[in-house]
Amino acid sequence: NAGVTQTPKFQVLKTGQSMTLQCAQDMNHNSMYWYRQDPGMGLRLIYYSASEGTTDKGEVPNGYNVSRLNKREFSLRLESAAPSQTSVYFCASSEVLYRSQETQYFGPGTRLLVL
Amino acid sequence: QKEVEQNSGPLSVPEGAIASLNCTYSDRGSQSFFWYRQYSGKSPELIMFIYSNGDKEDGRFTAQLNKASQYVSLLIRDSQPSDSATYLCAVKSITSGTYKYIFGTGTRLKVLA
Repeated sequence: NAGVTQTPKFQVLKTGQSMTLQCAQDMNHNSMYWYRQDPGMGLRLIYYSASEGTTDKGEVPNGYNVSRLNKREFSLRLESAAPSQTSVYFCASSEVLYRSQETQYFGPGTRLLVL
Repeated sequence: QKEVEQNSGPLSVPEGAIASLNCTYSDRGSQSFFWYRQYSGKSPELIMFIYSNGDKEDGRFTAQLNKASQYVSLLIRDSQPSDSATYLCAVKSITSGTYKYIFGTGTRLKVLA
């Protein structure tokens, strides 16, 4: 049981390049999330998917697109990377059991540097 | 005003003492409140969640919620050096069917042996 996995672990891009960050979970969770974490800014929600086939914008969606490929996989795409997108990206998944009881499980993160 | 505010610290406490971490939030419609622990270079790990006013205890950890004061805290009893980490407060609210998760910037805790 791997939990939440993310690939790649590290990536260096040049400005204007594109890439897709992959995320998969094996816990049969309905909800999945993409966050970015920057020094002094905390975790900020980029996009989330409450269930397979649905996606919604979070706090900082500009410059990103997502795909909920199936229940397991949720990818994040940068179409034209910018230095401002240098960050650590975390994927998470969760299941709401009852009355707001919820546990988010985070992946190990992807460290992205855009030059 | 930030939506979720935490003192960045570091908060230094001696081993065996009680560490008290505080968080305030601005959205009165917030429904659920979470405390995560994050070691340097690692991903966040959920420690506690709380959604009702009052205290919730789990082992050495106690979460306290006061919705009237828009305040949530985490107490760590018998602090250990292994508790040294950054503690993130997170608040979840739902507006017009849209989830909003807001994290604070975290409080760095140092437990001194």
